[in-house]
Amino acid sequence: RKEVEQDPGPFNVPEGATVAFNCTYSNSASQSFFWYRQDCRKEPKLLMSVYSSGNEDGRFTAQLNRASQYISLLIRDSKLSDSATYLCVVNVGGNTPLVFGKGTRLSVIA
Amino acid sequence: DAMVIQNPRYQVTQFGKPVTLSCSQTLNHNVMYWYQQKSSQAPKLLFHYYDKDFNNEADTPDNFQSRRPNTSFCFLDIRSPGLGDAAMYLCATSLGSRPETQYFGPGTRLLVL
Repeated sequence: RKEVEQDPGPFNVPEGATVAFNCTYSNSASQSFFWYRQDCRKEPKLLMSVYSSGNEDGRFTAQLNRASQYISLLIRDSKLSDSATYLCVVNVGGNTPLVFGKGTRLSVIA
Repeated sequence: DAMVIQNPRYQVTQFGKPVTLSCSQTLNHNVMYWYQQKSSQAPKLLFHYYDKDFNNEADTPDNFQSRRPNTSFCFLDIRSPGLGDAAMYLCATSLGSRPETQYFGPGTRLLVL
């Protein structure tokens, strides 16, 4: 089983739609969780951290379910500029580097 | 602005011809990473430096080497590039006390002919 698994997509949605991405992780000792965004041919950039209680940043909502080892990202009112690959990232703790998922590709269509 | 800089942005090399990619940072972060990313795949960690301590991933081919002469600079040497080494190479940094936040450079896209 891969350490971090994501549905690769692509998700093709119209502007204004709500879209949700899921991610599962295998290491139950994982300590912190993140969503990174990667535009085509660009570097990954931190979108938001994911907290146990769930957190919201504008149109973006991230949730964590430790029991199920599951992370989600919800994007409301999708914009064309949201088109990108969204990488689920897990920190297993200590000085161990972050573990990246393959990413889920989103295309928002006018 | 503090940042992670990679040079060159695009590199073309011939099969078997050694190539060096460079990364520099002005963030004064003590941890630096090199990733390889191929199309539609996750960034794959090749190695990282925690201060001067070099950490090689178990599945990183011997063809890949790295040097970190000082805090600010890190180099990726590919001794004999093969066609399969064509990829985006990403450098990233983090602060040891906060490894969860990594800052990536823009990447170097390597093409092997």
